[in-house]
Amino acid sequence: NAGVTQTPKFQVLKTGQSMTLQCAQDMNHEYMSWYRQDPGMGLRLIHYSVGAGITDQGEVPNGYNVSRSTTEDFPLRLLSAAPSQTSVYFCASSYGGPLRYGYTFGSGTRLTVV
Amino acid sequence: AQKITQTQPGMFVQEKEAVTLDCTYDTSDPSYGLFWYKQPSSGEMIFLIYQGSYDQQNATEGRYSLNFQKARKSANLVISASQLGDSAMYFCAMREGNSGSASKIIFGSGTRLSIRP
Repeated sequence: NAGVTQTPKFQVLKTGQSMTLQCAQDMNHEYMSWYRQDPGMGLRLIHYSVGAGITDQGEVPNGYNVSRSTTEDFPLRLLSAAPSQTSVYFCASSYGGPLRYGYTFGSGTRLTVV
Repeated sequence: AQKITQTQPGMFVQEKEAVTLDCTYDTSDPSYGLFWYKQPSSGEMIFLIYQGSYDQQNATEGRYSLNFQKARKSANLVISASQLGDSAMYFCAMREGNSGSASKIIFGSGTRLSIRP
């Protein structure tokens, strides 16, 4: 039972480069989300999905794209990396339905843009 | 729009004392859920406790309890008999029941709790 798996754990990018952060869950969760956490701050929602083929923007979507072709996978794409995107990125998933289901989080990806 | 506010950026508490971490929220949805997560220095997010807006009793999970005051829109986390391992960042979060928002959980800015031996 792997839970939520994020890869890579660490990444250094040069300004302007693009990359994809991978997220996979094996719990058959309908909901998946991407958050970013800047030093000393809370988590801000980037994009989220309620199921395969359905995604929506969160609080800070600019510079990021997502797609959800399967229930299991929810990759986050950085189109043209900027130093302001230096952050820790968390992927999370949850059952739909009753509110008592909170999110299960991956271990995070620490991204540095130089 | 839903909003979570945590007004205590940092707290220091003596080991074995009880501690209360404050959380206030704002929502127009009568159906919502409130969560507390712990983030130790290792970085993972650990679910601690849940309170539903229609729950009649305050939630408890071991040494964690939630002081839920619906009229005041507050959901404070109480940790009894604090331990050194409780030193961490604590986040309050909310999920609304409205079908358009139920998939989103938003977080407060967090409180860094430090336990003194």
